[in-house]
Amino acid sequence: SQQGEEDPQALSIQEGENATMNCSYKTSINNLQWYRQNSGRGLVHLILIRSNEREKHSGRLRVTLDTSKKSSSLLITASRAADTASYFCATDTYSGAGSYQLTFGKGTKLSVIP
Amino acid sequence: DAGVIQSPRHEVTEMGQEVTLRCKPISGHNSLFWYRQTMMRGLELLIYFNNNVPIDDSGMPEDRFSAKMPNASFSTLKIQPSEPRDSAVYFCASSLGGGFGANVLTFGAGSRLTVL
Repeated sequence: SQQGEEDPQALSIQEGENATMNCSYKTSINNLQWYRQNSGRGLVHLILIRSNEREKHSGRLRVTLDTSKKSSSLLITASRAADTASYFCATDTYSGAGSYQLTFGKGTKLSVIP
Repeated sequence: DAGVIQSPRHEVTEMGQEVTLRCKPISGHNSLFWYRQTMMRGLELLIYFNNNVPIDDSGMPEDRFSAKMPNASFSTLKIQPSEPRDSAVYFCASSLGGGFGANVLTFGAGSRLTVL
């Protein structure tokens, strides 16, 4: 079952603009991660934010986490055509017996127009 | 490191045939995951292993699917017999594992399966 749900499903912006994607989830998490997937490729890890963190930066990426609202956002600043990809949030949750599961949403498809 | 290596990259087969997908995780990673991606259902976790032991296979759709990890450097996902609804991209991923907050996954390029 889906834990994270991204919003919007698709986003189209001009190069140089900022892109914001949101993720909502249902149950308590240990951490939340964002991944990128270029067409025809595997997913690539971008950033991880722990449940006790509120904001994290990595280059042009900014991630926020609000555990009270069970939501996260990914901001890409000064977008480039190369940022065109699908972006997924993934929640790391304890699934019992000492094991942890990473569950992905369906993704936001970002198109950056040169 | 060459990353997570999957084979074949593409497989086209006929309904009823056996399909075997292969994965070589990153050396030193002790957790391995099999995911399936479709437009309708997104990324679904099928099964994962920790130290070569299957931990959670609740995502395996039915008995036609089986997965093995005979050693730390090799895993297979087998579908027998295959059906058209099994058509999807199957991803293998590995991580250092270790529990809390450590599941940062490195994905392979995927195996695109088409069952006619």
